[in-house]
Amino acid sequence: QVQLVQSGSELKKPGASVKVSCKASGYTFTSYAMNWVRQAPGQGLEWMGWINTNTGNPTYAQGFTGRFVFSLDTSVSTAYLQISSLKAEDTAVYYCARVSVTSGAFDIWGQGTMVTVSS
Amino acid sequence: QSVLTQPPSVSAAPGQKVTISCSGSSSNIGNNYVSWYQQLPGTAPKLLIYDNNKRPSGIPDRFSGSKSGTSATLGITGLQTGDEADYYCGTWDSSLSGWVFGGGTKLTVL
Repeated sequence: QVQLVQSGSELKKPGASVKVSCKASGYTFTSYAMNWVRQAPGQGLEWMGWINTNTGNPTYAQGFTGRFVFSLDTSVSTAYLQISSLKAEDTAVYYCARVSVTSGAFDIWGQGTMVTVSS
Repeated sequence: QSVLTQPPSVSAAPGQKVTISCSGSSSNIGNNYVSWYQQLPGTAPKLLIYDNNKRPSGIPDRFSGSKSGTSATLGITGLQTGDEADYYCGTWDSSLSGWVFGGGTKLTVL
């Protein structure tokens, strides 16, 4: 079945980096754009941006430039989110979400990866 | 402060109907399709409604969506305790050149 499976929870110290993976299965990876969405504890959904899985070209939302990097490994149908120079305020659940070709809505979501930044 | 405005919470009794509003502007809801997402406690969001009023396969017809001008509405009939969740609207914002979500609405089924 169509699914996105993300890597497990991470506990990092401030200043460190983290790389979250999102492995797609059940569909042609390069046929759908991949988005990233952040949800801080007790807060709503915040769109971080997306990556074109054909070209690898990323687009970052306001507030997610500089320390955030989207990348791909199409050979294993996997998208990555790397965050560097982690801060306490980066503590959140990070979701990858596939965009439907027909509607533009996020039709398939990963299960989420909890990233905790604490000294 | 979210670009799209939703009520923080709504509640209704089992079997009743509830609506959740989502208010925006001409740069987002007014000129783009709206989708709705259900987030059950401790789980990832799930697509409920796309293109303002279409349901993905497997979503019961108790869930409906509509749009008028710069506002959208999610309706849920025949409420069940299993519908208790956070609900988010979302759409593309042409001015921001990015996707925006509402702040979310917590549904309580009393």
